[in-house]
Amino acid sequence: RKEVEQDPGPFNVPEGATVAFNCTYSNSASQSFFWYRQDCRKEPKLLMSVYSSGNEDGRFTAQLNRASQYISLLIRDSKLSDSATYLCVVNPNTGGFKTIFGAGTRLFVKA
Amino acid sequence: EAGVVQSPRYKIIEKKQPVAFWCNPISGHNTLYWYLQNLGQGPELLIRYENEEAVDDSQLPKDRFSAERLKGVDSTLKIQPAELGDSAVYLCASSTSLADTQYFGPGTRLTVL
Repeated sequence: RKEVEQDPGPFNVPEGATVAFNCTYSNSASQSFFWYRQDCRKEPKLLMSVYSSGNEDGRFTAQLNRASQYISLLIRDSKLSDSATYLCVVNPNTGGFKTIFGAGTRLFVKA
Repeated sequence: EAGVVQSPRYKIIEKKQPVAFWCNPISGHNTLYWYLQNLGQGPELLIRYENEEAVDDSQLPKDRFSAERLKGVDSTLKIQPAELGDSAVYLCASSTSLADTQYFGPGTRLTVL
């Protein structure tokens, strides 16, 4: 089992749709979690951090479920510009473990 | 504020040749990371520095890869000799600490022929 696993893509959705991605992690000691966005041939950029209480930023909502060891990202009212690869990141916050990126989920939003 | 700077952006070399990548992190960021990213995959950590100390290099192939971060600022990643399988994008990132957001540079796209 991979340490961080994401929903296989690609997701093809029409504009205005709601789409959700999940990401599971195996290390229960993980402390911080993030969603990054990566456009084609560009570097990853932070989309949002994921807090235990859940957090929302405009059309984006991130949630953490520690009991089941997964994080989720919900995108409402999808825009063409949301087309990208979404990477989940699991960080142990301790010296003995390394930051792990998921393989990413590709999203295509169509007009 | 300037972001993470990497050079070169692209590098094409023949196998068995050496190659070096340079990274200048965001000012004040003590933690520096080198990642390798293959097509269709997420970044994989090669090495992490806290100031000038390499605190996690377990994924660095030490027979051919080396890295340094003199004075705890700029960093260099070297491959010698390069192999065909080393073709990938090498990303540098920095953060204020391990728990914080990582900011990535544009990466160096290496092609080994």
